[in-house]
Amino acid sequence: EDQVTQSPEALRLQEGESSSLNCSYTVSGLRGLFWYRQDPGKGPEFLFTLYSAGEEKEKERLKATLTKKESFLHITAPKPEDSATYLCAVQAKAGNMLTFGGGTRLMVKP
Amino acid sequence: GAVVSQHPSWVICKSGTSVKIECRSLDFQATTMFWYRQFPKQSLMLMATSNEGSKATYEQGVEKDKFLINHASLTLSTLTVTSAHPEDSSFYICSALKGDRGIYEQYFGPGTRLTVT
Repeated sequence: EDQVTQSPEALRLQEGESSSLNCSYTVSGLRGLFWYRQDPGKGPEFLFTLYSAGEEKEKERLKATLTKKESFLHITAPKPEDSATYLCAVQAKAGNMLTFGGGTRLMVKP
Repeated sequence: GAVVSQHPSWVICKSGTSVKIECRSLDFQATTMFWYRQFPKQSLMLMATSNEGSKATYEQGVEKDKFLINHASLTLSTLTVTSAHPEDSSFYICSALKGDRGIYEQYFGPGTRLTVT
């Protein structure tokens, strides 16, 4: 059974204080690992897809990396508008379904 | 781009009535769409996979007679909550699968808040 665990559950940062969110996974053949951002009362917003260990992708202050067991979402010099819940999900080669982690709730204080 | 819309964004209905939620992929065709349910401060729970032109596949524990799914076209899937009860109150989110050259990514709608009184 595919499993995704995200840590920490909640993270409070001061504006400008860089940090990383962790996503550990077990999957029977990884097709892709996905990162989404979700604001309260809204649907998840697509951020990145990573397909193989060693792959990295960047978007503004966010950088996602992937190893064979985990992925990190690095946030550099965060701003209050980066406050949201960040979701990690894996897609196995055997299908198109996503298995989601519990999310990390990020709060950035000015 | 990959834009998915949902309608309505919120709905209040009385217990015992049925409610239909629409999910549309606006700028791409999606043979597969997914329906999720999300409770406050929890992650997304997959309810069913909707395939255009065929029956939906429901996850274990999801009543297919209560949550009717129809995927009649490549851009539209609907979820009907039949005989709704207060415990069906939740945030329902759909996603559409966009595939291109072997890469498949899910794009989500904005969600529908259902409140059953």
